[in-house]
Amino acid sequence: AQTVTQSQPEMSVQEAETVTLSCTYDTSESDYYLFWYKQPPSRQMILVIRQEAYKQQNATENRFSVNFQKAAKSFSLKISDSQLGDAAMYFCAYQETSGSRLTFGEGTQLTVNP
Amino acid sequence: DTEVTQTPKHLVMGMTNKKSLKCEQHMGHRAMYWYKQKAKKPPELMFVYSYEKLSINESVPSRFSPECPNSSLLNLHLHALQPEDSALYLCASSQGVAGNRETQYFGPGTRLLVL
Repeated sequence: AQTVTQSQPEMSVQEAETVTLSCTYDTSESDYYLFWYKQPPSRQMILVIRQEAYKQQNATENRFSVNFQKAAKSFSLKISDSQLGDAAMYFCAYQETSGSRLTFGEGTQLTVNP
Repeated sequence: DTEVTQTPKHLVMGMTNKKSLKCEQHMGHRAMYWYKQKAKKPPELMFVYSYEKLSINESVPSRFSPECPNSSLLNLHLHALQPEDSALYLCASSQGVAGNRETQYFGPGTRLLVL
């Protein structure tokens, strides 16, 4: 079974600084999808960024970018120019291409300090 | 537009009550999902509907009964719940269940309290 590990239960960053959240996963598949979801205090799960395993180029969405290391099974999220609104629980998630089941990590609670 | 709506936002019910949660999307998505999420934990998959048919039931107790009347609407009927069923119930949808159409978009959730 696939597993997703987020080793940092909590992280903090100063406003306008950069922070990196780590995620590792275990799979025997060669093609799959990886996601970062954000869950602010409002509790809505918001898609931050998506990476397809067959694409070598790292995904980027505005201030959010990933460092995808397929051989190392690592998928970290970098948030640049952190804003107060970035404060949330961040979940890394894995999904096979042949199925719909998302496997989530335990989450990283990010605090942004003014 | 990637909007999934859920009603009600909050629900308090007794253990003998019957209630329903509703989820709606108008993005033309053909797969819909129910998740249960406890505080400070990741969501746990409960059910998946694909093309209005139940495709995954993660061994959920029968006191939770899903229903998909049409491709835009997903209900979760609740009956004889236990206090440990108190949680945030999240609905999600995706365009399909295969290939690159699987990205799931979540609704805001229904916070359920069972007394």
